[in-house]
Amino acid sequence: KQEVTQIPAALSVPEGENLVLNCSFTDSAIYNLQWFRQDPGKGLTSLLLIQSSQREQTSGRLNASLDKSSGRSTLYIAASQPGDSATYLCAVSTGNQFYFGTGTSLTVIP
Amino acid sequence: NAGVTQTPKFQVLKTGQSMTLQCAQDMNHNSMYWYRQDPGMGLRLIYYSASEGTTDKGEVPNGYNVSRLNKREFSLRLESAAPSQTSVYFCASSELGGQAKNIQYFGAGTRLSVL
Repeated sequence: KQEVTQIPAALSVPEGENLVLNCSFTDSAIYNLQWFRQDPGKGLTSLLLIQSSQREQTSGRLNASLDKSSGRSTLYIAASQPGDSATYLCAVSTGNQFYFGTGTSLTVIP
Repeated sequence: NAGVTQTPKFQVLKTGQSMTLQCAQDMNHNSMYWYRQDPGMGLRLIYYSASEGTTDKGEVPNGYNVSRLNKREFSLRLESAAPSQTSVYFCASSELGGQAKNIQYFGAGTRLSVL
């Protein structure tokens, strides 16, 4: 069974700092990996999707990388802002089955 | 554009009661999903429907049933609610299941408490 782990569980940084969130998975037979953002009491919003054949994807200040062979992905956030405060979740797809990590709660301090 | 709409937003049930959670999407997506989110457990897939007319079990299907009513709607039914089913339930949809480029879009969730 696929296991997805996110470390750290919580992170607090001052505004303007660059930061990296980590995601690891146990089975490298994946279709893709997605990073989501979840605000308190809300649903999930997809930030980036990396297909299994890709190494990275970028959107604005966000950059996600994927190393399928080692079962790792990172989400890099540049020049963090208070509005980036949220929980970030990663999920891997093995077709129609999706496996989520428990998330990293990010607080950006003004 | 509403995206994925879930009803109700909140519900309190007594043990043994039944209820149906409704989900509708207006993006003409083929695949739909039901998840539950529990503290410290992440999101876990309950059931999914790869296309209209098909449904399959996910990781935690026990105690639930689903119906893919048409392409837009996918409902989740609890026949006899138990306290262990207290959770936040999310519905999601994607254009095509089982594909490498398969972005999921989520509803706002239903917060269910079973007393």
